[in-house]
Amino acid sequence: SQLAEENSWALSVHEGESVTVNCSYKTSITALQWYRQKSGKGPAQLILIRSNEREKRNGRLRATLDTSSQSSSLSITATRCEDTAVYFCATDAISGSWQLIFGSGTQLTVMP
Amino acid sequence: DAGVTQTPRHEVAEKGQTIILKCEPVSGHNDLFWYRQTKIQGLELLSYFRSKSLMEDGGAFKDRFKAEMLNSSFSTLKIQPTEPKDSAVYLCASSPDSSQNTLYFGAGTRLSVL
Repeated sequence: SQLAEENSWALSVHEGESVTVNCSYKTSITALQWYRQKSGKGPAQLILIRSNEREKRNGRLRATLDTSSQSSSLSITATRCEDTAVYFCATDAISGSWQLIFGSGTQLTVMP
Repeated sequence: DAGVTQTPRHEVAEKGQTIILKCEPVSGHNDLFWYRQTKIQGLELLSYFRSKSLMEDGGAFKDRFKAEMLNSSFSTLKIQPTEPKDSAVYLCASSPDSSQNTLYFGAGTRLSVL
């Protein structure tokens, strides 16, 4: 079973709307990362949020982390067609270890 | 700055062939990772190098998969012999060091085994 898992296989919104992708994980962690993968490209990191942080922002992106419920969310405001991608959360397999475990991803489609 | 470069972008092989995928990490990065990506299994770690030393050799992938890092700026992943179930996207990633834990991925090599 996955140590980190997004809660939706796919989401679709219209341009300009906001959307939230959720992630749950099963171990204590040092940090949680959100990556985005566009078609034909490798994943690219969006946000890294450490276990002692509750919220992190990067432009139109906002990530939250709740260590008590072992969950995280990534919100995107004012979505654009170019936000269409697969979004992954990733955690260290063992707290503080080097190995990242990726969830299976959520396909986000932003329609014109 | 140059990112992670992977070649070729696409590879088609016959069952039983040997194929070699190549990766150039970001200059100055100490860690290098090989992942396999499929729709069903998602991202699976194949190998991990730290400062050119093999730290993780992929467990279930040891049998026909061999990653090497001959110098700090070049790595290869050999699959020998290939099987149709090896069809996937192979991603290479590098990281400044393990404490940062941020991976920079290449665009991947899409392998099709007939």
